[in-house]
Amino acid sequence: SQQGEEDPQALSIQEGENATMNCSYKTSINNLQWYRQNSGRGLVHLILIRSNEREKHSGRLRVTLDTSKKSSSLLITASRAADTASYFCATDAGRGSTLGRLYFGRGTQLTVWP
Amino acid sequence: GAGVSQSPRYKVTKRGQDVTLRCDPISSHATLYWYQQALGQGPEFLTYFNYEAQPDKSGLPSDRFSAERPEGSISTLTIQRTEQRDSAMYRCASSSGGNQETQYFGPGTRLLVL
Repeated sequence: SQQGEEDPQALSIQEGENATMNCSYKTSINNLQWYRQNSGRGLVHLILIRSNEREKHSGRLRVTLDTSKKSSSLLITASRAADTASYFCATDAGRGSTLGRLYFGRGTQLTVWP
Repeated sequence: GAGVSQSPRYKVTKRGQDVTLRCDPISSHATLYWYQQALGQGPEFLTYFNYEAQPDKSGLPSDRFSAERPEGSISTLTIQRTEQRDSAMYRCASSSGGNQETQYFGPGTRLLVL
């Protein structure tokens, strides 16, 4: 089944460093979304990038999308301890798919040390 | 409401019992989704509603799982004759509709079947 796969599975960095997470998927998409999940809490939507967009920014977040390679990256600049969380990419399945059904990867666990 | 709410937040039940989980979406949102998230995994789609219609049930693992949204707002997910493998986080999300729209997730219900 279509699924985003994040890479790496785990990432550990110091505060102030940048964190880059990658996502690959299998079939055509309408959009790709990134979510954050803190320990014991809900999924928080970070950013949505449409298939006709190549790059998007939101605060310290920068997302890129390369539909030819079926991949996306999430960059968090100047990381903080509060950024410690699991990060998931989620895709739809493109034209003809169930409206809005999202396919998630297993996530990247980011740890930011003070 | 201000966000998506779910109840209960935690549910412990014995194998063979029935459980019902509740989701209260953002009040203006037409579309509501249910996902199941096992430990260490990303959420997996179960079913969704567009108002009270349920166009896709394909993610429901078995006929023990059913969902309702009779008035197009609050939804319930019922698991009959629970099994230990049903233990997971059950997440509800809502969106204003369409496959280009952000899904907003509730805090989830953590179900433990003993």
